[in-house]
Amino acid sequence: EVQLVESGGGLVQSGGSLRLSCAASGFTFSTYGMNWVRQAPGKGLEWVSYISSISSIINYADSVKGRFTISRDNAKNSLYLQMNSLRDEDTAVYYCARDQFYGLDVWGQGTTVTVSS
Amino acid sequence: QSALTQPASVSGSLGQSITISCTGTSSDVGSYHLVSWYQQHPGKVPKLMIYEGSKRPSGVSNRFSGSKSGNTASLTISGLQAEDEADYYCCSYVGSNIFWVFGGGSKLTVL
Repeated sequence: EVQLVESGGGLVQSGGSLRLSCAASGFTFSTYGMNWVRQAPGKGLEWVSYISSISSIINYADSVKGRFTISRDNAKNSLYLQMNSLRDEDTAVYYCARDQFYGLDVWGQGTTVTVSS
Repeated sequence: QSALTQPASVSGSLGQSITISCTGTSSDVGSYHLVSWYQQHPGKVPKLMIYEGSKRPSGVSNRFSGSKSGNTASLTISGLQAEDEADYYCCSYVGSNIFWVFGGGSKLTVL
């Protein structure tokens, strides 16, 4: 079964850091680009970051550029999101999602990040 | 990069058809055929319903269809069923620097 499982969310103070992980299984992780997408409470989906299969292409939304870092370890079938200088507006459920080039076809269950000031 | 524009809410009666619009610009929707649509039920994970503007992934009902004209993409749901009540998001490829942008989402109510 194709599966993505996020972890690492939690409560953090404003200005703090957190590292999210996404464990992939059931498919050849190293051949797919991956994304992080977030959803603030009661709000819509917001694309956060993309990393290509061999980490040669990395992109960020303007809202997180310079504060968040996406990475992956293909040997461990894992995707990461290092989040620094966290702000209240970063409070959201963070999803990892597989990139099929034409769309995001597999999503994890999400991990909740709460930033308190 | 601004979010794509969707109506906040749409509604339709059981068995009827509805269409949700998604308006972008010549830099996103108008430039690429890579528009996708996602369904999200409350408390659930988004599900890919349409990709490349009009294609359905395996397992998605043929009651769901997509189209695009200029800078606007559309999702049509025919023969509305109670389980179609959900939030729907459009998404477009934006180019190699930004990658993806979502619409603000549309809440579908089935009457």
